[in-house]
Amino acid sequence: DVQLVQSGAEVRKPGESLKISCQVSGYSFTTYWIGWVRQMPGKGLEWMGSIFPRNSDIRYNPSFQGQVIISTDNSINTAYLQWNSLKASDTAMYFCARPASSFWGQGTQVTVSS
Amino acid sequence: DIQLTQSPSSLSASVGDRVTITCRASQGISNDLGWFQQKPGKAPKRLIYAASSLQRGVPSRFSGSGSGTEFTLTISSLQPEDFATYYCLQHNSNPPTFGQGTKVEI
Repeated sequence: DVQLVQSGAEVRKPGESLKISCQVSGYSFTTYWIGWVRQMPGKGLEWMGSIFPRNSDIRYNPSFQGQVIISTDNSINTAYLQWNSLKASDTAMYFCARPASSFWGQGTQVTVSS
Repeated sequence: DIQLTQSPSSLSASVGDRVTITCRASQGISNDLGWFQQKPGKAPKRLIYAASSLQRGVPSRFSGSGSGTEFTLTISSLQPEDFATYYCLQHNSNPPTFGQGTKVEI
């Protein structure tokens, strides 16, 4: 069975860094795009960007370019979403997902508050 | 990037009603579109893929149609468990994009 298992909820202060993860099993990790989706409180879904693990080709939604970093560690079938300096407006639920599929992670709640 | 315009943004309906949600793409996307249902606090669940194919395990009251720039999701007879928010998602271009969502309320 395909599974995308995300890391747990995080609470950080503004200006801090954070890296959340999505570990994949049940399919060949390097041969499918994988992406990250943001959902701010009470709002809709926004696709942030996607990465092709085999060659690290990354496509960012222009709204998120320069705000986050998407990466993978192919040795452990894991995708990452990283912030170098969090803002309060980064408070949201974040999902990993394989585009054009039904495979989603369970979500990671990120709370940024002083 | 391809924009998806979803309508309506919300609707009120009753159990047994027929419900139709529309998604319009800013340029042609063939049939590279899926429909998702999301309930509060949960990950979205795909209902329809390739515009009109029913995801395994999804009740047959859900159906999708369209190609190119115009797509619809229809719920033939609304059930209590269908009250949720629905999103279209295109994957014709990278990165994918979502519609704004339609909240189906009692």
